Amino acid sequence: DTGVSQDPRHKITKRGQNVTFRCDPISEHNRLYWYRQTLGQGPEFLTYFQNEAQLEKSRLLSDRFSAERPKGSFSTLEIQRTEQGDSAMYLCASSPDRAGGYTFGSGTRLTVV
Amino acid sequence: RKEVEQDPGPFNVPEGATVAFNCTYSNSASQSFFWYRQDCRKEPKLLMSVYSSGNEDGRFTAQLNRASQYISLLIRDSKLSDSATYLCAVNGDSGYSTLTFGKGTMLLVSP
Repeated sequence: DTGVSQDPRHKITKRGQNVTFRCDPISEHNRLYWYRQTLGQGPEFLTYFQNEAQLEKSRLLSDRFSAERPKGSFSTLEIQRTEQGDSAMYLCASSPDRAGGYTFGSGTRLTVV
Repeated sequence: RKEVEQDPGPFNVPEGATVAFNCTYSNSASQSFFWYRQDCRKEPKLLMSVYSSGNEDGRFTAQLNRASQYISLLIRDSKLSDSATYLCAVNGDSGYSTLTFGKGTMLLVSP
């Protein structure tokens, strides 16, 4: 296991389409996080799983966004009816425990046209 | 006051210089603090954790000041390869147990 894997690396979609991203965390890590980052900003928290349970979700997260982590392994993030404002880098991270730093994946860069 | 705030930068320094970044946080109950490095169009990578007693890793020194609610990162003898954006991250801010990141401070080291 070489780290956190995200797929796809890049996604271009038309406004109004649905997109789904996948994240495979480091296998020993039971905590998985999704963040979003736009140019000139730090990563912004979206949601967090501990094993298969979604424990936190950003208050700013639109109901067009949904995430799952079935069986506590990989996770998917779906965005429905994409908007141009959804264009960003979507980062997945994992950690082994509450106090540790996160290991990020390479991200999925979404462009909504 | 923003939850996690960093020096806006960019910091332009010559090779060999010493540079320091500060990061303030709003939640006095925060327990975990980190510095990340992010290269252009890449993911953030953990640089170092910040402990109460301060910690050092080679040319990098991180300090925590709980009374004033800030953390700092000192880079000595800057290298060209240190050019990147440095993000601070704090847990427990914004009401979440997860990490809240600052906007980052860009460092440009020139020959």
